[in-house]
Amino acid sequence: DVKVTQSSRYLVKRTGEKVFLECVQDMDHENMFWYRQDPGLGLRLIYFSYDVKMKEKGDIPEGYSVSREKKERFSLILESASTNQTSMYLCASTSGGAGANVLTFGAGSRLTVL
Amino acid sequence: GDSVTQMEGPVTLSEEAFLTINCTYTATGYPSLFWYVQYPGEGLQLLLKATKADDKGSNKGFEATYRKETTSFHLEKGSVQVSDSAVYFCALELTFGQGTILTVHP
Repeated sequence: DVKVTQSSRYLVKRTGEKVFLECVQDMDHENMFWYRQDPGLGLRLIYFSYDVKMKEKGDIPEGYSVSREKKERFSLILESASTNQTSMYLCASTSGGAGANVLTFGAGSRLTVL
Repeated sequence: GDSVTQMEGPVTLSEEAFLTINCTYTATGYPSLFWYVQYPGEGLQLLLKATKADDKGSNKGFEATYRKETTSFHLEKGSVQVSDSAVYFCALELTFGQGTILTVHP
């Protein structure tokens, strides 16, 4: 069964800490994405990557960075966590052009920043 | 830019009731449209999709038709079940609506 795996389901961090959210896919997909999900706001795209070592800003990149050193792994980094980054973070991947291709999602990482 | 607007939730129905969740979009070009579903404690998964105008996507009794003239992609099901309780997201390629929480009571 093909998968997108997010390493941490639940994290609690303190303001100012550096946070790493890891995502691995086993489908050999070129494209990977990070979204955050908040009630009433749906999913908002933070960053995406169409190739190794490549990254593009999404709609809400402020306060985040990403790393894609290998095709299967896409990491989201919060350099200095803040309480307004408390959210559910969803990683997704897809192959080829993103137009008609279906996103495959991980189960999510719920981050609480105190 | 592209945007998706879904009807406000939450939606609460009795089992076997008819379901409609409205979705309208703003886009340039000819995007593909999707409905995703998120069951409690899980990530999103594809429910159905349509890639061009007048296409109808269907799955598990759910249907949605890509209407270019009304820029809509409304989700419908004739008879909902308790197991359909979930959050439903309309999406225009990588852009998502705000989600609609559906609760179905026995």
